[in-house]
Amino acid sequence: EPEVTQTPSHQVTQMGQEVILRCVPISNHLYFYWYRQILGQKVEFLVSFYNNEISEKSEIFDDQFSVERPDGSNFTLKIRSTKLEDSAMYFCASRAGTGAKNIQYFGAGTRLSVL
Amino acid sequence: DAKTTQPPSMDCAEGRAANLPCNHSTISGNEYVYWYRQIHSQGPQYIIHGLKNNETNEMASLIITEDRKSSTLILPHATLRDTAVYYCIVRVATTGFQKLVFGTGTRLLVSP
Repeated sequence: EPEVTQTPSHQVTQMGQEVILRCVPISNHLYFYWYRQILGQKVEFLVSFYNNEISEKSEIFDDQFSVERPDGSNFTLKIRSTKLEDSAMYFCASRAGTGAKNIQYFGAGTRLSVL
Repeated sequence: DAKTTQPPSMDCAEGRAANLPCNHSTISGNEYVYWYRQIHSQGPQYIIHGLKNNETNEMASLIITEDRKSSTLILPHATLRDTAVYYCIVRVATTGFQKLVFGTGTRLLVSP
């Protein structure tokens, strides 16, 4: 069964450093998402991406965050200058299209630890 | 999207059916009910969804009341691996970019 792949599984970084989290969505999917989950809290939407542009973003997704689909297969989330409060699990998701049968599938996540 | 209400936790004995309820009294006619689960800190896993008819797949069954104000996810023979947080999400399926809004879900503990 096709799956969303995320790398690395765990990323440790120093506060103020830039990090890039990588995702390979399911190959025929068109809609891409990033979510995050701070330890013990809800899964929160960050951003959705379609047709090479951001379609929606949450209040969390400020100027420190950016997304890119650089080569038609990878989908990346960049945090420019990490803060302690960015420590969380980050989940990538993808979906084939619109309609009830087009389900959003999630990757296993990247645990980001900011020291 | 309509708001959902789920019990914070439930217990189930291994091998028995787990019935997880969800209230969505403000659901509108074009909103679907989706169920996901999250095992430990893994990514949310899709289980099943439905509009008004009952649905069944290899993982679970979804029973939606006739007035659509509530639904029940049924895991017919729960195993220890079904221990997870289960999320009921209501949303329109055919419009927008369909972000998922997760609540706190139901923490299901399956015991031997």
